[in-house]
Amino acid sequence: KAGVTQTPRYLIKTRGQQVTLSCSPISGHRSVSWYQQTPGQGLQFLFEYFSETQRNKGNFPGRFSGRQFSNSRSEMNVSTLELGDSALYLCASSTTGTGNVRAKNTEAFFGQGTRLTVV
Amino acid sequence: AQSVAQPEDQVNVAEGNPLTVKCTYSVSGNPYLFWYVQYPNRGLQFLLKYITGDNLVKGSYGFEAEFNKSQTSFHLKKPSALVSDSALYFCAVRELNTGNQFYFGTGTSLTVIP
Repeated sequence: KAGVTQTPRYLIKTRGQQVTLSCSPISGHRSVSWYQQTPGQGLQFLFEYFSETQRNKGNFPGRFSGRQFSNSRSEMNVSTLELGDSALYLCASSTTGTGNVRAKNTEAFFGQGTRLTVV
Repeated sequence: AQSVAQPEDQVNVAEGNPLTVKCTYSVSGNPYLFWYVQYPNRGLQFLLKYITGDNLVKGSYGFEAEFNKSQTSFHLKKPSALVSDSALYFCAVRELNTGNQFYFGTGTSLTVIP
């Protein structure tokens, strides 16, 4: 079974530009979450999508947006890039497991991440 | 609200010695707890989880964790540390009944000294 695939792995952008990152979840997983990881702030939750709907959102400005397609693939967009947006962006997929205490697959599986550098 | 705390930013241990990485949690209902490991410039890898049942959970690479409800802790342990265990470790709690969101701790950097 293929894992979570994130593209591209590395990206260099200039301040003010916009960027789109892609995440393909594990087949059958309908939940996709995005995280920003920086040395100073640790792992911060951006948002989660389930069945093409944003289900949860972290505390990030509106420049950060996302969407999910009918095949569960997700994209994350950052507009008007700032130097502080330089980070490792991680995508995670999971089944819902909602309300099912005996769910076997409640863990999230992460992609390798996209390293974004803003110059 | 759900939250996870990892009180130690850095843990150093000698190779061959037992290791412990601490995690405490706060949840309104039953906790679903996880440990992940991250190697440099890589994504997080799942190590183990506690959903229900035995308080001692065994996972990948010889790691185990003990769920302690009274102390609201879920410490990660390994009887004999390897240099290759050096990595960043994250504890997480999942809110299954309401939001499905994972809450991660701030991470603990483990260094195993040869």
